[in-house]
Amino acid sequence: GQQVMQIPQYQHVQEGEDFTTYCNSSTTLSNIQWYKQRPGGHPVFLIQLVKSGEVKKQKRLTFQFGEAKKNSSLHITATQTTDVGTYFCAGKAGGGNKLTFGTGTQLKVEL
Amino acid sequence: SAVISQKPSRDICQRGTSLTIQCQVDSQVTMMFWYRQQPGQSLTLIATANQGSEATYESGFVIDKFPISRPNLTFSTLTVSNMSPEDSSIYLCSVENLDRVTEAFFGQGTRLTVV
Repeated sequence: GQQVMQIPQYQHVQEGEDFTTYCNSSTTLSNIQWYKQRPGGHPVFLIQLVKSGEVKKQKRLTFQFGEAKKNSSLHITATQTTDVGTYFCAGKAGGGNKLTFGTGTQLKVEL
Repeated sequence: SAVISQKPSRDICQRGTSLTIQCQVDSQVTMMFWYRQQPGQSLTLIATANQGSEATYESGFVIDKFPISRPNLTFSTLTVSNMSPEDSSIYLCSVENLDRVTEAFFGQGTRLTVV
């Protein structure tokens, strides 16, 4: 079945440093979504990418969808303590409605 | 956006018993899903709750263990049956409206501990 892997699994950074998580799918995706889950919370939608090679920005966050629509990345510039949480990519494949979540990257930001 | 009320938020249950989790949405939605998230892990889809028909289960999940109801477009229940400690996890309800947006909205989750 479809598998979506993320690296790294964990990342500790000092506040102000940059952070990147990478997402790789075993199958071509129709779209890729990114979610943030704060400790003790539920996943919250950040963004959706649909087109091959698409790049979107939200303030300090930059999202990219690969040309082959099998990988994606999330880059945070100048991390803040409010960025703490686990970031999940999630994608749909083959025109189906099933959303497969990546393994997640847990980000910790230290002062 | 959709506002989802999921109950209970947490419970501690004896092994061998069953727990029913409710998911209420403030508007009609096309798709409702149930996920399981074990501590420190990702989300695993249990099943798609279909309105007026049997749920569609993912590999490794069966109806006898996780019966699901969806009587209308705003409500669904997930029952965890004959519980064992291995069922201790967070269970999340999720909704999507395919005709408008495709982002998933999640309930607050039910933290289940089986002792």
